[in-house]
Amino acid sequence: KNEVEQSPQNLTAQEGEFITINCSYSVGISALHWLQQHPGGGIVSLFMLSSGKKKHGRLIATINIQEKHSSLHITASHPRDSAVYICAVYFGNEKLTFGTGTRLTIIP
Amino acid sequence: DTAVSQTPKYLVTQMGNDKSIKCEQNLGHDTMYWYKQDSKKFLKIMFSYNNKELIINETVPNRFSPKSPDKAHLNLHINSLELGDSAVYFCASSRLGASDTQYFGPGTRLTVL
Repeated sequence: KNEVEQSPQNLTAQEGEFITINCSYSVGISALHWLQQHPGGGIVSLFMLSSGKKKHGRLIATINIQEKHSSLHITASHPRDSAVYICAVYFGNEKLTFGTGTRLTIIP
Repeated sequence: DTAVSQTPKYLVTQMGNDKSIKCEQNLGHDTMYWYKQDSKKFLKIMFSYNNKELIINETVPNRFSPKSPDKAHLNLHINSLELGDSAVYFCASSRLGASDTQYFGPGTRLTVL
């Protein structure tokens, strides 16, 4: 069965802290996406990866295909990073399967 | 200049009514999607279309009928609305398919009373 699990469900941290959000999946995949949903509701694609590591500004996404695991890291976190972060996996079946999301709150 | 647009942004209606949500993308993408996000923020695919052809119909009640008049538009019509249909509906598009980066519309919050 194609499943995606994210942890933690909720995360509260102080401004400046290093943040890690995890995503695990059940079987081999073709691609994994990290999405950000702003408090206003809009959804933005942050990364799409199938191997290795990608970096954009203070955000870093990594994937370990053998361990079926991906992480999203935020360095020097800021209150504007407060959002829901969603992992979505492409199992090769023409659709994305979504994790339950991680609600991140950064306190000034 | 909005890449993926949806209308309306909010929709409040009575049980039993029929309503439509419209989606348009100006990115030249071949694939479009409808997603439903429930009250716990969980996203799930409903439909996907590639070049106006239905690719995915994810066990959605047949009260929901997508229509794609051309590859830039994917509309969602819902008949006989039920309380459980209340959710946020997102349209999205991608160039090549579900493995490619997806661009989301702003969402339509549907409330059924």
